[in-house]
Amino acid sequence: SQKIEQNSEALNIQEGKTATLTCNYTNYSPAYLQWYRQDPGRGPVFLLLIRENEKEKRKERLKVTFDTTLKQSLFHITASQPADSATYLCALDTSYDKVIFGPGTSLSVIP
Amino acid sequence: ETGVTQTPRHLVMGMTNKKSLKCEQHLGHNAMYWYKQSAKKPLELMFVYNFKEQTENNSVPSRFSPECPNSSHLFLHLHTLQPEDSALYLCASSQPAGGFISDTQYFGPGTRLTVL
Repeated sequence: SQKIEQNSEALNIQEGKTATLTCNYTNYSPAYLQWYRQDPGRGPVFLLLIRENEKEKRKERLKVTFDTTLKQSLFHITASQPADSATYLCALDTSYDKVIFGPGTSLSVIP
Repeated sequence: ETGVTQTPRHLVMGMTNKKSLKCEQHLGHNAMYWYKQSAKKPLELMFVYNFKEQTENNSVPSRFSPECPNSSHLFLHLHTLQPEDSALYLCASSQPAGGFISDTQYFGPGTRLTVL
């Protein structure tokens, strides 16, 4: 069956370090993969999209990689700050009009 | 703000009530979505509308009835709900591009629904 997993349910890191979040999927062949941030009680906010023919994409302190052979995406936040604390969701397309979201990883950046 | 508004933000209803959730997007997008987010579970897609036409009904019970009168407005009509329907209901919009309509979605703040 189709499945999306995100590494741990929760991740704690020290301020200034690089946070690395993992998204693995099985039985999909997505055309693209997205990462969203969600704060408590609010809707997700789009961060980055990476297409199947792209290996890496960057935006400010964020970097996403996409390995279609491993069926995995890595999401990095460099020089992490307490304000980066949130839940991060990966999502991938399953058809032209539908995406599936992963369960999310709750990131806490400790001062 | 994301340009997607939802009302009400909080709703408490009994199992015999009828209520409606409203979503409005000010982004000029042509696709709109309803999602359900329950505690400890991933976002679940409920309905997709593309140019006011429903393209996806993700096996949602008939006690949830969507309505999309135009590309800017989306409603979710609720009737005879169950306590397990309590969740955060999120609306989103996107602009179809490159053969896909569902990338880069903009979400509203959600309606926190409690069914007693």
